[in-house]
Amino acid sequence: KQEVTQIPAALSVPEGENLVLNCSFTDSAIYNLQWFRQDPGKGLTSLLLIQSSQREQTSGRLNASLDKSSGRSTLYIAASQPGDSATYLCAVKGAQGGSEKLVFGKGTKLTVNP
Amino acid sequence: DTAVSQTPKYLVTQMGNDKSIKCEQNLGHDTMYWYKQDSKKFLKIMFSYNNKELIINETVPNRFSPKSPDKAHLNLHINSLELGDSAVYFCASSQDSRGLDIQYFGAGTRLSVL
Repeated sequence: KQEVTQIPAALSVPEGENLVLNCSFTDSAIYNLQWFRQDPGKGLTSLLLIQSSQREQTSGRLNASLDKSSGRSTLYIAASQPGDSATYLCAVKGAQGGSEKLVFGKGTKLTVNP
Repeated sequence: DTAVSQTPKYLVTQMGNDKSIKCEQNLGHDTMYWYKQDSKKFLKIMFSYNNKELIINETVPNRFSPKSPDKAHLNLHINSLELGDSAVYFCASSQDSRGLDIQYFGAGTRLSVL
């Protein structure tokens, strides 16, 4: 059974700092890994999707890496801003019990202080 | 235009009642999903439909019945509501039938069972 763990559960940093969020998963047989952002009272917004054959994806100040063999992914946020404050969720897509589904971690709550 | 829209946004009801949550996507996607996010913020898939056909049924109590009148709509009906059903329910959609691409989420429906 796939399990996704995110560390830390919460992180508070001053504005301008570079930071790394971590995600690990127990079953390396995945199709892809996605990072989402969730703002309070709102839905999830997809940030980056890394296919299993890829090592990293970049979008603006965000860079996500994937090491499938070790079951790890990181989300790097450069020059953090207060607007980056949100909960970041990692999810892996794999075949579980014959059906393909996203399995989510519990998220890292990020606070960027002005 | 909202890509994935859910109604209502908030739902407060008594135990034992029956309620429905509606979801519509205007992205032309073939696959739609229902997720439940509990009080600990853990997000877990409940159902997925591809072109009106049930693909994933994640051992959800049969009090929960999804209905897809067409591929742009996936509604969730809940019978005999229980206290433990209180959660935020998210609808999502994706283009690929295997869900290997980005999933787009609605803003969520916060259900409170009293």
